[in-house]
Amino acid sequence: QKEVEQNSGPLSVPEGAIASLNCTYSDRGSQSFFWYRQYSGKSPELIMFIYSNGDKEDGRFTAQLNKASQYVSLLIRDSQPSDSATYLCAVNQFYFGTGTSLTVIP
Amino acid sequence: GAVVSQHPSWVICKSGTSVKIECRSLDFQATTMFWYRQFPKQSLMLMATSNEGSKATYEQGVEKDKFLINHASLTLSTLTVTSAHPEDSSFYICSEIGGGGTEAFFGQGTRLTVV
Repeated sequence: QKEVEQNSGPLSVPEGAIASLNCTYSDRGSQSFFWYRQYSGKSPELIMFIYSNGDKEDGRFTAQLNKASQYVSLLIRDSQPSDSATYLCAVNQFYFGTGTSLTVIP
Repeated sequence: GAVVSQHPSWVICKSGTSVKIECRSLDFQATTMFWYRQFPKQSLMLMATSNEGSKATYEQGVEKDKFLINHASLTLSTLTVTSAHPEDSSFYICSEIGGGGTEAFFGQGTRLTVV
């Protein structure tokens, strides 16, 4: 399977801060990139996807893609305790990283 | 978005028995569905692609004779774990790709424990 790497964390940020999640991938030909949120014992739910280099914003979330560096990130602004979860990066829909555990401290 | 119903949500079985997991697409005719396995604190690993009316496509390292996949209709795919052993204990999740071809919609997942 294609390699998708994420820092497993845990990442802790205070409420209201910006959380930054990073992901690198090995297949230079990858075309689509997804960020999912997964609560413990639950299935993943899509946060957003990005196909083109640059930034894509959706509410408090911003995905950033740099294909030359084979790097995709997710920024969460004004982090809330309810954002505490594991965030999975996926490449080409099917290949997932191990996830980064995020804890937002009230 | 698509709604995918997966059951059972959890199952405990004895070593050596077989377990069937069902995945239903409730509002979308899914010609293709995907089966994943997730061990604790690890990522989702794609096991196989289930194709309606034809054989499933298995990822490298996944035993097709152990993990039997059937996709007999456009709304139902099943995964049968045959002769289950404790090392098969895991979280199994199915998904389908929505009509827009981008987003994956996941079932609720099945927690399998083999004792």
